[in-house]
Amino acid sequence: EDKVVQSPLSLVVHEGDTVTLNCSYEVTNFRSLLWYKQEKKAPTFLFMLTSSGIEKKSGRLSSILDKKELFSILNITATQTGDSAVYLCAKWGNGGATNKLIFGTGTLLAVQP
Amino acid sequence: NAGVTQTPKFQVLKTGQSMTLQCAQDMNHEYMSWYRQDPGMGLRLIHYSVGAGITDQGEVPNGYNVSRSTTEDFPLRLLSAAPSQTSVYFCASSHGAGGMNEQFFGPGTRLTVL
Repeated sequence: EDKVVQSPLSLVVHEGDTVTLNCSYEVTNFRSLLWYKQEKKAPTFLFMLTSSGIEKKSGRLSSILDKKELFSILNITATQTGDSAVYLCAKWGNGGATNKLIFGTGTLLAVQP
Repeated sequence: NAGVTQTPKFQVLKTGQSMTLQCAQDMNHEYMSWYRQDPGMGLRLIHYSVGAGITDQGEVPNGYNVSRSTTEDFPLRLLSAAPSQTSVYFCASSHGAGGMNEQFFGPGTRLTVL
């Protein structure tokens, strides 16, 4: 069964801190791993990772995948209150003849002023 | 482009009632899916489709039906609503048969079953 596990479940930091969010997954028919940010609405796409060791970067956010150890991390540097959200990790896996995108439970990040 | 649209935004049902949540996309995406989101549970896949006429079950399909008669539309039917189906429902779509592309999400439908 495809499974995606995120840690920590929640995190409180102060503005300016750096945070690292973790995502581990089962190896079954791995195709790609995605990160989303969800504020009080629909998830918005951040990154898609397919190859180990290649960092994807967008402003203060970056992410990397380790296909040997089956995990990914999302880093946020110099956090701002606008970074407060639920961060979701999801894995595209093979559902037999077709593919499914399976999500973890998310990490709730609260950035205090 | 409107992207992925969902109607209604909010709905209250009584136990046993039926209803259809509508989802449409104008990006000509092959892949469409339905998720439900409950507190502390993340997004759980209900059903998905890789093209018109093809649907498959996700993680939590019981109590829900889908069909895909056109590329654009992917309605989700609740035949006999139960309080356990109280949730926020998201529809999503992506290019291709799934696996190597991001999914775009609709704004969600908040459903309450009394």
